[in-house]
Amino acid sequence: GENVEQHPSTLSVQEGDSAVIKCTYSDSASNYFPWYKQELGKRPQLIIDIRSNVGEKKDQRIAVTLNKTAKHFSLHITETQPEDSAVYFCAASSDQAGTALIFGKGTTLSVSS
Amino acid sequence: EAQVTQNPRYLITVTGKKLTVTCSQNMNHEYMSWYRQDPGLGLRQIYYSMNVEVTDKGDVPEGYKVSRKEKRNFPLILESPSPNQTSLYFCASRGLAGGDNEQFFGPGTRLTVL
Repeated sequence: GENVEQHPSTLSVQEGDSAVIKCTYSDSASNYFPWYKQELGKRPQLIIDIRSNVGEKKDQRIAVTLNKTAKHFSLHITETQPEDSAVYFCAASSDQAGTALIFGKGTTLSVSS
Repeated sequence: EAQVTQNPRYLITVTGKKLTVTCSQNMNHEYMSWYRQDPGLGLRQIYYSMNVEVTDKGDVPEGYKVSRKEKRNFPLILESPSPNQTSLYFCASRGLAGGDNEQFFGPGTRLTVL
């Protein structure tokens, strides 16, 4: 079955810097890759996602890139702000409906001002 | 307001005492799922359901049961809870029509089994 590895497990940056979180997946049939943000004590919330027929997607300060050949995808956050501090999870799904998500173990991002 | 609700939000129980965590969504979603979240392990899927009366095992189904008698409800049942089921549990739902893929998570249920 699918296995998703996420790195780093913790990441500390200064406000205004960029942050990059990387994930690799094992199942070449995976075709849907969402990123979730979980603030302390809150539920995970989708921040951006990408399908396998797209190489990059951007939404304001957040972007996701996908390299299908290498089976890895990355989350890029530019101009980080303290409110970006949270745990970020990547996930992958190989079923057509994108339902059975396999999550990475999470990255704790700390943005200091 | 579109939402996924879970009850209870917090529960402390003892080994072997059957319990049910309820999950309900008001978005008419076909798909519902249960996850457990443990430190350093991320979110792991327990069970999921593609529609009424259709359920399937996720990655960590042992010790859990689910049912999907109605579209809006997807309760998680622990017949004989054990301490290793102490965890934070999330229910999630999403629609299967069109290109909308987002899973909406409930607020979580923190379960402690003594």
